[in-house]
Amino acid sequence: NAGVTQTPKFQVLKTGQSMTLQCAQDMNHEYMSWYRQDPGMGLRLIHYSVGAGITDQGEVPNGYNVSRSTTEDFPLRLLSAAPSQTSVYFCASRPGDRYNSPLHFGNGTRLTVT
Amino acid sequence: AQTVTQSQPEMSVQEAETVTLSCTYDTSESNYYLFWYKQPPSRQMILVIRQEAYKQQNATENRFSVNFQKAAKSFSLKISDSQLGDTAMYFCAFMKPADRGSTLGRLYFGRGTQLTVWP
Repeated sequence: NAGVTQTPKFQVLKTGQSMTLQCAQDMNHEYMSWYRQDPGMGLRLIHYSVGAGITDQGEVPNGYNVSRSTTEDFPLRLLSAAPSQTSVYFCASRPGDRYNSPLHFGNGTRLTVT
Repeated sequence: AQTVTQSQPEMSVQEAETVTLSCTYDTSESNYYLFWYKQPPSRQMILVIRQEAYKQQNATENRFSVNFQKAAKSFSLKISDSQLGDTAMYFCAFMKPADRGSTLGRLYFGRGTQLTVWP
C-alpha cells in the first residue's frame, strides 16, 4: 500500500512565487489534513477536510488555500510565498468513521522560501 | 482551546536503560484520546502508542508503555530497554472526539521531546 504520498519532497521558492503541495492517499480516508512543523513548535494544523467538497481552517490557515474535489487528493496552495512559510509540511489522513483511529502521515515536504 | 505541554525539550538515555517522557494536557472534555508519535531523523511520523480516556488501564506496546493519570491530566511515555533506534523526536498528541459539529476530531500536538539513546 502506498498510504499517504506527498510531492515534492523538497522545494525552494522565492518570495512571492506560488506553488501547490500535493497530497494523495489510497486508503479511502474521508479525513485529510495539512500540518506544518517548525523547530520548537510541534505540528500545527493548517487546514483539514472531512470529505470531498468540505474543508475548514485549522490553527494557522493564513497564506494557504485548500480544496477537496476527490476523496483521494488534498492539495495545499501557497498563493504568494513568504519567508515565514519556510517549514516542513505534513499531510495526514484518517478513516472518517473511526475518529479514534490514528493519523497516517506522509513523509513531509521541506519548503524553503528565500 | 486544547493545549498539550511537553516540558522536556531534550532527553538522553543510555542503551538498555529506561526513560520516561512527560506530557500534560489541558481540557474540559471527559472523553478524548491521547497519542505518542515518534519522528526519527528520516522525518517520518510513526504512531507509538495510544490511550482512550475512558479506559483506566494503561496502554502497552512491547517496550513502550504509558502512565495515564486522568485527574492530573498527565500522559507520560516510558521506554524500557532503550535501543539506539529509539533516538527520535517524540510528540504527545491530544484529540477530542468532535469539533465544530463534525464527528471527526482534530489532533493537537505538543512541541516535542528530542530523545537521544547513546551506547
